Amino acid sequence: GDSVTQMEGPVTLSEEAFLTINCTYTATGYPSLFWYVQYPGEGLQLLLKATKADDKGSNKGFEATYRKETTSFHLEKGSVQVSDSAVYFCALKWDDMRFGAGTRLTVKP
Amino acid sequence: KAGVTQTPRYLIKTRGQQVTLSCSPISGHRSVSWYQQTPGQGLQFLFEYFSETQRNKGNFPGRFSGRQFSNSRSEMNVSTLELGDSALYLCASSPGTAGLMGSPLHFGNGTRLTVT
Repeated sequence: GDSVTQMEGPVTLSEEAFLTINCTYTATGYPSLFWYVQYPGEGLQLLLKATKADDKGSNKGFEATYRKETTSFHLEKGSVQVSDSAVYFCALKWDDMRFGAGTRLTVKP
Repeated sequence: KAGVTQTPRYLIKTRGQQVTLSCSPISGHRSVSWYQQTPGQGLQFLFEYFSETQRNKGNFPGRFSGRQFSNSRSEMNVSTLELGDSALYLCASSPGTAGLMGSPLHFGNGTRLTVT
């Protein structure tokens, strides 16, 4: 069935460092791809999305490009802040929404 | 616009009891999905309701059930609680069905269920 695999955490970075969280997917159809972020004690918030191949989603300095040839949707940010500390989930949506295991990011000042 | 509201935020139950969780979607959203989140299993899909009909169901035992009312509010019920049911239960709404391409889910803050 459809599934998402994302890099295991935790990831610890210093402020202003470059961030990459890898995400690959397996799907029989042509899913939409999403990144969600979860802050402590809260539900998931949509960070960005892409609905077709070569689409780039972006929000709050985060970017991810839908790569059909490598079935990937890696999340990147050029300069992380302490406030970016959270758990990040990659997800795909075809018939229903499937999530990766989540990657915990900690940014230190 | 108010977000997705889940009640209660916290719940403590004993093994063998049953529990009902409530979710009010964003106004105008007709689809409600439920997820179970645990440290070991991550986010697992329970079921999705659209216009009072269950559209999709995850791989959970029959002790887990749900329903959706005509105003799109949804409830989830777990009977004969087990220790392993302790989790954060998340509800999410969207304007259309899960199959509507590109339509993201909007999540509530969840109900933290502890079974002792």
